[in-house]
Amino acid sequence: DSGVTQTPKHLITATGQRVTLRCSPRSGDLSVYWYQQSLDQGLQFLIHYYNGEERAKGNILERFSAQQFPDLHSELNLSSLELGDSALYFCASSAFPGASYNEQFFGPGTRLTVL
Amino acid sequence: AQSVTQLGSHVSVSEGALVLLRCNYSSSVPPYLFWYVQYPNQGLQLLLKYTSAATLVKGINGFEAEFKKSETSFHLTKPSAHMSDAAEYFCAVSDGGSARQLTFGSGTQLTVLP
Repeated sequence: DSGVTQTPKHLITATGQRVTLRCSPRSGDLSVYWYQQSLDQGLQFLIHYYNGEERAKGNILERFSAQQFPDLHSELNLSSLELGDSALYFCASSAFPGASYNEQFFGPGTRLTVL
Repeated sequence: AQSVTQLGSHVSVSEGALVLLRCNYSSSVPPYLFWYVQYPNQGLQLLLKYTSAATLVKGINGFEAEFKKSETSFHLTKPSAHMSDAAEYFCAVSDGGSARQLTFGSGTQLTVLP
């Protein structure tokens, strides 16, 4: 158990819909990262938040957005869903900037299926 | 920009045989390198990490990796494979900069044959 929790574990929805994925980081970690894992794209970095502020964006679509709340949990919002958005979405947390390297601890993921 | 190439999307070894999973990286700055393992229907678990302290890095479950700058490689090895090692393995690189996100390789599925 990494200490990172994600809900829900599975999500099935229809095209055009909007969903929210939730992540609670390890106790004390200020950084939250979101990754998408799909068969065709592999594991891709989406976005990084540190202590409530956006720090970096990766291959995140404009239909996707995220935020980190004062209690440090984070939500990833996916809207106007398409079939190709079906994937496993991981959240990871780290103690950045406490360490000079970036050891990230991953949650169990949310499997999103868009029908 | 940084990138990681994992050679061999599928590797099969016999139980008790040497495991060798290959990873080559590209980075414009001294990299931080990681190996993660993913078991079916689970998240990623850190096996080991290279942070410039030592070129030979020992991780969990008997795995180790050697950083070779001249070859831009960070191959993962285990002397004797166990059935429980069957999983997908990902090599990742971070530049250690302000963002510090991980760039992952495409993964190697390890099968251990009885």
